[in-house]
Amino acid sequence: QSALTQPPSASGSLGQSVTISCTGTSNDIGNYDYVSWYQQHPGRPPKLIIFGINRRPSGVPDRFSGSKSGNTASLTVSGLQAEDEADYYCSSTVGPNNYVFGTGTTVTV
Amino acid sequence: QLIERGGDLVQPGGSLRLSCSASGFTFGDYSMTWVRQAPGKGLEWLNFIRRESYGGTTEDAASVKGRFSIARDDSKGIVYLQMNSLRVEDTAIYYCSREADSGWHFDLWGPGTLVTVSS
Repeated sequence: QSALTQPPSASGSLGQSVTISCTGTSNDIGNYDYVSWYQQHPGRPPKLIIFGINRRPSGVPDRFSGSKSGNTASLTVSGLQAEDEADYYCSSTVGPNNYVFGTGTTVTV
Repeated sequence: QLIERGGDLVQPGGSLRLSCSASGFTFGDYSMTWVRQAPGKGLEWLNFIRRESYGGTTEDAASVKGRFSIARDDSKGIVYLQMNSLRVEDTAIYYCSREADSGWHFDLWGPGTLVTVSS
């Protein structure tokens, strides 16, 4: 199973928005509504920020939103803040409790 | 919380067993997984073990199938990762994570433990 494809980097100014794409295939993103997104700051473990394509865990700001169209999922961070500077990874299931992560995107604010 | 232990320097071809201790939640009610991250690289899903009420069965990524295996001890609240025939490219931080109650994503992560495979 190949990693999902994300752009290596994305950037935006404070208060602006940035959107990160995550491209898979009909075997993963295209076949399941189980896309999740994780934020990772340097030296820290990943943190869940989006699950089920567009649902946010308690405590995650509504500046983070997700969507999916066909084989591609997207994460949008609106109203960028300095603390949003991090690496972001998408993930999808590829079958019962089998998973694949994206290649990761570094967001610079 | 989750705390991984067991990371070490090991020679190529060697074996290592990692453990991940859970606290603050009913461990047996959750499925668990291991994910790794090579230095400067992305996340890679490795192994998954279902909670006992779902059979306690396991899933393995193709990249580690036959070399890595996952197990759990619900009486101790620990999930293990047995790694055999280690290769230089297995050098990474290894994270254990909990699958959320609603499934299909991971809502709790440990800080990770570093495994270095080198001669």
